[in-house]
Amino acid sequence: GQQLNQSPQSMFIQEGEDVSMNCTSSSIFNTWLWYKQDPGEGPVLLIALYKAGELTSNGRLTAQFGITRKDSFLNISASIPSDVGIYFCAGHDSTSGTYKYIFGTGTRLKVLA
Amino acid sequence: SQTIHQWPATLVQPVGSPLSLECTVEGTSNPNLYWYRQAAGRGLQLLFYSVGIGQISSEVPQNLSASRPQDRQFILSSKKLLLSDSGFYLCAWRWAGRGYEQYFGPGTRLTVT
Repeated sequence: GQQLNQSPQSMFIQEGEDVSMNCTSSSIFNTWLWYKQDPGEGPVLLIALYKAGELTSNGRLTAQFGITRKDSFLNISASIPSDVGIYFCAGHDSTSGTYKYIFGTGTRLKVLA
Repeated sequence: SQTIHQWPATLVQPVGSPLSLECTVEGTSNPNLYWYRQAAGRGLQLLFYSVGIGQISSEVPQNLSASRPQDRQFILSSKKLLLSDSGFYLCAWRWAGRGYEQYFGPGTRLTVT
């Protein structure tokens, strides 16, 4: 099935550094979701975006809905060890009448203390 | 508040045995329900979704089936498990008619031996 491209696939960063990752699609979405998944657990919803150009924050996390509606970005400021995990993006197009979400391939984040 | 439960948390089953995984959601009514499978270190594969009791949409032809006998209950089944059915099974829900956030359960780790 269709998957969104997430970049980078994985990254090692030093504690305290800022992190940026993105998600791109060949299709237009009107909803972007960002999740974090810890090992052995279900993904946890971090941020939901509904409007092109929208910038939304959740603590140290900030996500943006790309103006082309084909991409989204997630930034983590001042990373800490508990930021370790896999970050997934997901897109949804409610105008198509579908109930399905398209997920990204994931960005694996590892933080060096 | 809403809560999603999955059980069992882990399961080890021999090839050829039947399977039944259960998902229930509390605190909402008429949710959209989803079953995903996640292979180790991989993304999420949508298996089934349901928009109402008895309404099941299948995304991937496979050895599995789903049922929704009650509004907030979603069951994933198989008559005869294959080795390739091993994986992490995630149930998710979305509040129909109220935004497009999708929330995941804690998951079931299935190992077919």
